[in-house]
Amino acid sequence: GQNIDQPTEMTATEGAIVQINCTYQTSGFNGLFWYQQHAGEAPTFLSYNVLDGLEEKGRFSSFLSRSKGYSYLLLKELQMKDSASYLCVLEGQAGTALIFGKGTTLSVSS
Amino acid sequence: DADVTQTPRNRITKTGKRIMLECSQTKGHDRMYWYRQDPGLGLQLIYYSFDVKDINKGEISDGYSVSRQAQAKFSLSLESAIPNQTALYFCATSDRTGTEAFFGQGTRLTVV
Repeated sequence: GQNIDQPTEMTATEGAIVQINCTYQTSGFNGLFWYQQHAGEAPTFLSYNVLDGLEEKGRFSSFLSRSKGYSYLLLKELQMKDSASYLCVLEGQAGTALIFGKGTTLSVSS
Repeated sequence: DADVTQTPRNRITKTGKRIMLECSQTKGHDRMYWYRQDPGLGLQLIYYSFDVKDINKGEISDGYSVSRQAQAKFSLSLESAIPNQTALYFCATSDRTGTEAFFGQGTRLTVV
């Protein structure tokens, strides 16, 4: 099976930088996604890591270390609209589906 | 129009009733998924299908069934609804390994 752990909640202030960690246990996976979900809305794609290292996309970056079973999402220059849940998602090996962590709810205050 | 459409968006039904949630997509994707979301539990996989002839159980398939009527349509049925099936249900599609999944807007189901 697969197990994904994320902090339940985090808080930060506008303009700051926040790092959301994700640790996982799995027998194998293709890659790791991060999704953003605002309350009551559908999740939307943020990033995908298949190789170890950092993927940067604007204010958002995501890091993967397969040997450590660890990923993080880095959000820079936080804005109020970044208040949302951030979901760490494993993409299983061939023939299996996406498995979601429980998500980290980020609250950004002014 | 949305790429992934779920109907209905909201539904209240009684315990013991049969209910079907429908999902259609215009993305041309082969892969489709049904998830449910409960507060604090994230998204849990119910069923998934990688093509029209392929149906697979997810983490929490008990009490649910699905039908893949066509590449574009994937329906979820609750044969006899119970109150703990009250949740937000999402349908999603994806193209192939390593590509993002696209989600419908969700169906909020309440079983009373």
